[in-house]
Amino acid sequence: QMTLKESGPTLVKPTQTLTLTCTFSGFSLTTSAVGVGWIRQPPGKALEWLALIYWDDDKRYSPFLKNRLAITKDTTKNQVVLTMTNMDPADTATYYCAHKGNLVPRGFDYWGQGTLVTVSS
Amino acid sequence: SYVLTQPPSVSVAPGETASITCGGNNIGSKTVLWYQQKPGQAPVLVIYYNSDRPSGIPERFSGSNSGNTATLTISRVEAGDEADYYCQVWDSYNDHYVFGTGTKVTVL
Repeated sequence: QMTLKESGPTLVKPTQTLTLTCTFSGFSLTTSAVGVGWIRQPPGKALEWLALIYWDDDKRYSPFLKNRLAITKDTTKNQVVLTMTNMDPADTATYYCAHKGNLVPRGFDYWGQGTLVTVSS
Repeated sequence: SYVLTQPPSVSVAPGETASITCGGNNIGSKTVLWYQQKPGQAPVLVIYYNSDRPSGIPERFSGSNSGNTATLTISRVEAGDEADYYCQVWDSYNDHYVFGTGTKVTVL
């Protein structure tokens, strides 16, 4: 059974850097074609894809946020870390991590519960 | 950047059929996925590869994709189907994932 769980601060100040960790189980990020992505959702708004890291350390970023994002993995800890710089109140959202695998190659079949991050001074 | 457009809301009576559209330029050439999201919960995948259902998803959920429109159809709608639904594709040209604007399905 695949599970993912997001962790990190619930409140950050404007201009600060956000660091979120996705801890997963039930799959390995060393398996070919497997990836872990990050998606966010501002309150009352639509889902927005942010970034994805593949088993081979290939990385993809949203073109709208590319300059502010960095995604890394630690396969020994089964973790993926997303950092987002220069946080703004508009970045207030629930942040989800999700699994991309072989059976669903163009999307996300397992999601974490999400973590709400509020950006406020 | 690739844009996916969905109607903001769809209302349907119990037992009837709900159709949710997802419009995009030549979306028929892409693989479409659909997610269901209930209030306060994470999204759940209900359709992938345009029309395949993951294990555990009722047969009442089906999908199609052609031309500039993909459609999620929910047959014999139940109260428990009330949720937000999002389409999603992988934009190969820009090499990134795109979500639709979302549709709120209300069961009358």
